[in-house]
Amino acid sequence: QSALTQPASVSGSPGQSITISCTGANNDIGIFNFVSWYQQHPDTAPKLIVYEVSKRPSGVSNRFSGSKSGNTASLTISGLQTEDEAEYYCCSYAGTSVAYVFGSGTKVTVL
Amino acid sequence: QEHLVQSGGEVRKPGSSVKVSCKASGGTFNDSAINWVRQAPGQGLQWMGGIIPMFERTDYAQKFQDRVTLTADESTATAYLELGSLRLDDTAMYFCAKINRVAGSFDFWGQGTLVAVSS
Repeated sequence: QSALTQPASVSGSPGQSITISCTGANNDIGIFNFVSWYQQHPDTAPKLIVYEVSKRPSGVSNRFSGSKSGNTASLTISGLQTEDEAEYYCCSYAGTSVAYVFGSGTKVTVL
Repeated sequence: QEHLVQSGGEVRKPGSSVKVSCKASGGTFNDSAINWVRQAPGQGLQWMGGIIPMFERTDYAQKFQDRVTLTADESTATAYLELGSLRLDDTAMYFCAKINRVAGSFDFWGQGTLVAVSS
C-alpha cells in the first residue's frame, strides 16, 4: 500500500487560508470516511486535529476544517497563524488487510 | 485525560532486536486499540501494526509482519513492540498511539522512543 499523496509544502501569510490535499485510491479514501489529519511540530508527537473527514476533537481550533471528494481529502486552515507552522499528515483506513495508510506529509510555512 | 508514556531511547546493533514499551493511564486499556507508528529521520509516518488486548487481536503491516511482535500486559496497562533482525534503516522514532475504534483516528500519542541501529 503506497502512502497517500500530499504536496511537499504549502505556504501562506498570516490571516490567509491554505488548503492541503491528500490523494488516495478507491480502496482507502474513496470508500472509507475514516480520514484523519495530524499536526506535528518539530521533535514532538503528532496531534489529531480532524477525524472522520470533517470532525474536530474538543479543543482544536475551528480554523481547521476537513472535507473529501472522491479519492481526495482536504484540510483547510483559515486565518493562518504563526503557530500553525508545522508538518501535516493525512491518514485513511484502508480495510482489514492494510488497516491504515498515512500521507507523505506537507510542511506548512507561515510567511 | 488519557496518557501514554513510552520507554527511553535504545541503541542496538544490526541483527539484534529491541523491545519498546507504552504504558497507558487515564482510560480503559483492555478494550483499547494500541497501534505503533514509526518515523525515520526527516521522513513521514508509517503504520506498523496494532493490538486490542481484550480480544488478543493483532494486525501487522505487511512490511513488518515477519519481524514485529506486538504484545500487551493488561495487569500493568502496558503495550509492547518488539522488532527483530534490526537493520540500519530501522533507525527511527517509534510512537504508540491509541486508536478510536469507532472513528479510526489516532486520538492519543506517546512521546516517542528513538531506536538507533548502528554497527
